[in-house]
Amino acid sequence: QSALTQPPSASGTPGQRVTISCSGSASNIGSYTVNWYKQLPGTAPKLLIYSNNQRPSGVPDRFSGSKSGTSASLAFSGLQSEDEADYYCASWDDSLNGPVFGGGTKLTVL
Amino acid sequence: QVQLVQSGAEVKKPGASVEVSCKASGYTFTSYYIHWVRQAPGHGLEWMGIIDPRGGTISYGQKLQGRLTMSRDTSTSTVYMELSSLRSEDSAVYYCARDTGSGSYILDVWGKGTAVAVSS
Repeated sequence: QSALTQPPSASGTPGQRVTISCSGSASNIGSYTVNWYKQLPGTAPKLLIYSNNQRPSGVPDRFSGSKSGTSASLAFSGLQSEDEADYYCASWDDSLNGPVFGGGTKLTVL
Repeated sequence: QVQLVQSGAEVKKPGASVEVSCKASGYTFTSYYIHWVRQAPGHGLEWMGIIDPRGGTISYGQKLQGRLTMSRDTSTSTVYMELSSLRSEDSAVYYCARDTGSGSYILDVWGKGTAVAVSS
């Protein structure tokens, strides 16, 4: 069981706004920044959001991240079919003395 | 372009060891730390450890400490991950990933992954 808790699934219709949550504790999210990764089936993860709310070059601005206290969120404004994938949050964890990933959320576009 | 090229799939028997390589290209190898992350079938991502290609400093995750060995060869811009005393639960896809800084844990470039199957 991961130190970061994500809902196993989320869904929405095209154009809808959807958010995915990531809940942690003082030893991880509460003290460190959060990154988000997108993973399509059979492929490697891809960095989507870093340092809570920063987008790497090439990531559309309809993806946004936020953090408050010991929780973080990834938001999609205007869901698209190509957003269907698994999404993982990650943060440093003092207990592990290393980065920890959430269990992942499978996003389905209906 | 910046890329990490990993070695091919492996099939091993329980108790054996496996070594996976990760060759970097398109950037200065010694300027970016490398992480190893694994993913068991149908499961999430698990951090394994990190290596500094410049100085060779290594930090292992607690779960695999004692069975995991990471190393690097600066002459070929390659990092290696060796996992020993393999068990069925070590069957997974193993990824190497570049850290954007000196242990920032922001992983911006990933290898395609190496599947390791442990079966008798």
